[in-house]
Amino acid sequence: DADVTQTPRNRITKTGKRIMLECSQTKGHDRMYWYRQDPGLGLRLIYYSFDVKDINKGEISDGYSVSRQAQAKFSLSLESAIPNQTALYFCATSDLGGAGELFFGEGSRLTVL
Amino acid sequence: GIQVEQSPPDLILQEGANSTLRCNFSDSVNNLQWFHQNPWGQLINLFYIPSGTKQNGRLSATTVATERYSLLYISSSQTTDSGVYFCAVEYNTNAGKSTFGDGTTLTVKP
Repeated sequence: DADVTQTPRNRITKTGKRIMLECSQTKGHDRMYWYRQDPGLGLRLIYYSFDVKDINKGEISDGYSVSRQAQAKFSLSLESAIPNQTALYFCATSDLGGAGELFFGEGSRLTVL
Repeated sequence: GIQVEQSPPDLILQEGANSTLRCNFSDSVNNLQWFHQNPWGQLINLFYIPSGTKQNGRLSATTVATERYSLLYISSSQTTDSGVYFCAVEYNTNAGKSTFGDGTTLTVKP
């Protein structure tokens, strides 16, 4: 099993719908991240959390919210999805006490019609 | 602002050829990673290399932190090396958050 698991892996939805992407990890890492990837571009940071009580906005947080339910779980919500949120979403973890190396889930491909 | 520049943006090779990918960064870094994104979209960790040189099989990487660049070398390329290679940098001034370059798309032809 993967150390960082994302669900769903693929989702097609309609404009205005609420969508939640979930991430769970078995690495025991403190830090968790949500990134977005658009075609031809690198990953951009949406939100990050350094521990359960710490939530921070990244560079493109508008239109998104997150919840850190436990050390191992970090979910990303789109309250009212719009077509330009169509993208590949990645969850990642890193260890606070370590060297900051990022480990990624397999990605969640979201299409908003 | 924080910048990570990768070059070349695209690279096409014949199987068996060697290549060098470059990552330039604009400030002092805490860490630097290289990733390979395969055609299925998965991100695979290649190297964690804030400084120095590392090798893993046909791949090696060198980071010269004082000159603010990192190089990824791929020798004897194979078709399975195709995909996008990303450099991600965590700057000292932005601890805990990594900034990605736009990647180099590598196509290895049989």
